[in-house]
Amino acid sequence: QKEVEQDPGPLSVPEGAIVSLNCTYSNSAFQYFMWYRQYSRKGPELLMYTYSSGNKEDGRFTAQVDKSSKYISLFIRDSQPSDSATYLCAMSGYSGGGADGLTFGKGTHLIIQP
Amino acid sequence: DAEITQSPRHKITETGRQVTLACHQTWNHNNMFWYRQDLGHGLRLIHYSYGVQDTNKGEVSDGYSVSRSNTEDLPLTLESAASSQTSVYFCASSETGLAGTSTDTQYFGPGTRLTVL
Repeated sequence: QKEVEQDPGPLSVPEGAIVSLNCTYSNSAFQYFMWYRQYSRKGPELLMYTYSSGNKEDGRFTAQVDKSSKYISLFIRDSQPSDSATYLCAMSGYSGGGADGLTFGKGTHLIIQP
Repeated sequence: DAEITQSPRHKITETGRQVTLACHQTWNHNNMFWYRQDLGHGLRLIHYSYGVQDTNKGEVSDGYSVSRSNTEDLPLTLESAASSQTSVYFCASSETGLAGTSTDTQYFGPGTRLTVL
């Protein structure tokens, strides 16, 4: 079993829909959780960062972490065609992604249809 | 503005050749990382460094080496390139900041697309 599981998609939704992206993980030592967005032929860019459990909201984006279930989510409200990208979850047990780097999911390819 | 750059952006080489990919960051971050990204595998850690003269092996380090002689640069060397090393390579950096803040994570370069024929 991989440490981090993420459905690769593609996930296709109409513009304006609420999008839910998820990852599950097995390592209970993870306590830093991130979502990166990656456009085609570009490097990943940090979208959301959460430390330990709870919710975090930033504009149209909400990140949730449920450590008891080892489950993290990213919600996108009022989705736009510009949100079309691959979304990568990442996590670490250490500050700064240190000790052993970040562990990534494989990424979910999201398509927002105009 | 601070940034992280990689060069070259694209490289084609032949099996058996030595190849070096450059990574330069102006964030003044202590931590630097190299990942490779392949279809079906996602991003996997190759090597990382927590400061000058410090290097560590990651999940897929065989056939790769790094050296850290200053804070800004972490070049990645493929000693004898193999077709299995055809991939997109990303460099990242981070600063161990206050736990729970957005500075406490990694920032990525634009990537180098390497093809080994």
